[in-house]
Amino acid sequence: SQQGEEDPQALSIQEGENATMNCSYKTSINNLQWYRQNSGRGLVHLILIRSNEREKHSGRLRVTLDTSKKSSSLLITASRAADTASYFCASPRQGSGGYNKLIFGAGTRLAVHP
Amino acid sequence: DAGVIQSPRHEVTEMGQEVTLRCKPISGHNSLFWYRQTMMRGLELLIYFNNNVPIDDSGMPEDRFSAKMPNASFSTLKIQPSEPRDSAVYFCASSVGQGGTEAFFGQGTRLTVV
Repeated sequence: SQQGEEDPQALSIQEGENATMNCSYKTSINNLQWYRQNSGRGLVHLILIRSNEREKHSGRLRVTLDTSKKSSSLLITASRAADTASYFCASPRQGSGGYNKLIFGAGTRLAVHP
Repeated sequence: DAGVIQSPRHEVTEMGQEVTLRCKPISGHNSLFWYRQTMMRGLELLIYFNNNVPIDDSGMPEDRFSAKMPNASFSTLKIQPSEPRDSAVYFCASSVGQGGTEAFFGQGTRLTVV
């Protein structure tokens, strides 16, 4: 991928279980973001964690960031069938002039079975 | 706000024809991104604009692709001539500032070139 790599590529779990997705990146970042994409739809921003943060929560989502390992994880607790989607990590890559382009990983396809 | 609006949602065209995809970003957002998504290559950044100025077009695959942003509320991505390998879902996204923050995606245009 251009910047991040997610694993696993696909994850299949039962409702009620927790889902953990991992993301590794290559260059220094000032933040890392997670997005969700339902089939046939655009991406939706879930959560942003800054480089000086180690953990962040939003509802059933928990994101961690380890800048020393250049990795992040997204945990969805008590999963529901409606969580079935693809999940992407993304990080800004700074170019000339201080502008940032958002580069996405390959994504993890999560299937939650009732 | 209606969010990022893309048109058309679906486009089927014959090889060799010109294709124009359109995007209206969220009002007040000054960064605009065009992405292409395929199964094989994932989500690729094609070009991004800031304050209507193209900042980085290094992701544009060939000279057949061009993008414009004549004003803050409208952008186009043109493919001329189109080829079957251009078949993909094309997304437009916008954000505030110089990029790197939360990006808002449109619903995408599914392009099929036959």
